Amino acid sequence: GPKVLQIPSHQIIDMGQMVTLNCDPVSNHLYFYWYKQILGQQMEFLVNFYNGKVMEKSKLFKDQFSVERPDGSYFTLKIQPTALEDSAVYFCASRLGVRDTQYFGPGTRLLVL
Amino acid sequence: GDSVTQTEGQVTVSESKSLIINCTYSATSIGYPNLFWYVRYPGEGLQLLLKVITAGQKGSSRGFEATYNKEATSFHLQKASVQESDSAVYYCALRVTGNTGKLIFGLGTTLQVQP
Repeated sequence: GPKVLQIPSHQIIDMGQMVTLNCDPVSNHLYFYWYKQILGQQMEFLVNFYNGKVMEKSKLFKDQFSVERPDGSYFTLKIQPTALEDSAVYFCASRLGVRDTQYFGPGTRLLVL
Repeated sequence: GDSVTQTEGQVTVSESKSLIINCTYSATSIGYPNLFWYVRYPGEGLQLLLKVITAGQKGSSRGFEATYNKEATSFHLQKASVQESDSAVYYCALRVTGNTGKLIFGLGTTLQVQP
């Protein structure tokens, strides 16, 4: 089936540094998402991106977070600066249309020290 | 707010026995709930197992079934005879139509099938 790729699979950084998580969505998809899962907790919605804009974000999407997809390339989540509580697995997802299935990537495991 | 509650932790079942993983939901947003079961097999990403968008309907895939029960606000996952290859983490999820399509997930249930 359709594949969503995420790069890197693991990232370790020091608190206060910047990190960019990359997502390569399914090629013709139009809606993009980031979810966050802290160990032992539910996977939670962060943000939805469509047509170059953030359509909805949750309270977890702090001011230090930003997303973009320049020129149809990677869909990125940037955290600047990082905090200890940002340690989690971040999942990217994409879908074609409003009623279509969301396809998920394998996740990026972020550890902030 | 919208939420999903499912059987917590790990469920261990012997091969060829039946399985049920409970899922109930609460949808307070304006819109119509759609319900999903996603699965993560060891070493793989999250993938859709089945979905039902209309109350009263049943979805099925790979021998698994789930019925959207609006009155009970439930969407339990069942299988009559599990196989060792069904060992995975199962997530119940809710999407409310009219919003941006975000999914609300349960905590996940780890299924361990013993040979």
